[in-house]
Amino acid sequence: AQSVTQLGSHVSVSEGALVLLRCNYSSSVPPYLFWYVQYPNQGLQLLLKYTSAATLVKGINGFEAEFKKSETSFHLTKPSAHMSDAAEYFCAVSKAAGNKLTFGGGTRVLVKP
Amino acid sequence: GAGVSQTPSNKVTEKGKYVELRCDPISGHTALYWYRQSLGQGPEFLIYFQGTGAADDSGLPNDRFFAVRPEGSVSTLKIQRTERGDSAVYLCASSGGLAGTNEQFFGPGTRLTVL
Repeated sequence: AQSVTQLGSHVSVSEGALVLLRCNYSSSVPPYLFWYVQYPNQGLQLLLKYTSAATLVKGINGFEAEFKKSETSFHLTKPSAHMSDAAEYFCAVSKAAGNKLTFGGGTRVLVKP
Repeated sequence: GAGVSQTPSNKVTEKGKYVELRCDPISGHTALYWYRQSLGQGPEFLIYFQGTGAADDSGLPNDRFFAVRPEGSVSTLKIQRTERGDSAVYLCASSGGLAGTNEQFFGPGTRLTVL
């Protein structure tokens, strides 16, 4: 069975500071990995995805994530936080394209002015 | 439509009642997924349709939960004899095609409250 662990249910960063959200996964097969963002009262929006191509993946809104097989990690980063980045972020894994997603518990990001 | 839509956006019901939640996927998307998100948790998979058939229903918690997609487009999630523990946001997603990365596009969800 696959699983995803997100370290830290809440993260607080200052505007302009680095955003780092941690995600570790377990999977019996090479995984597909995703980061989604959820703004209040809105649906999940895909930020970026890893599908066995380049290990450093760039997404929308200046976010990127690096797949590290040896560490079974897929941490999300953004060099400079913006107030509009305040939201909840979910890491997810699937076994194959089109397969069901297994989500982590989420990390809520607060951006301080 | 432009995106995945779900109706109703909010549903309040009493314990023991029957509810139906509807999902309209993006036009032309062949795959449709249902997830459930409890307060403070990540979404949990319920069921996945490819066309009209349920390709994977391993996430349905018990036989009170059932979903259909009779024409391969709109789907309805049905919950019988609702319990307070069924209170959650029910999310629907759709994706298109049979190959590629098949990004799942999510709807805004239906918030179900069982009193």
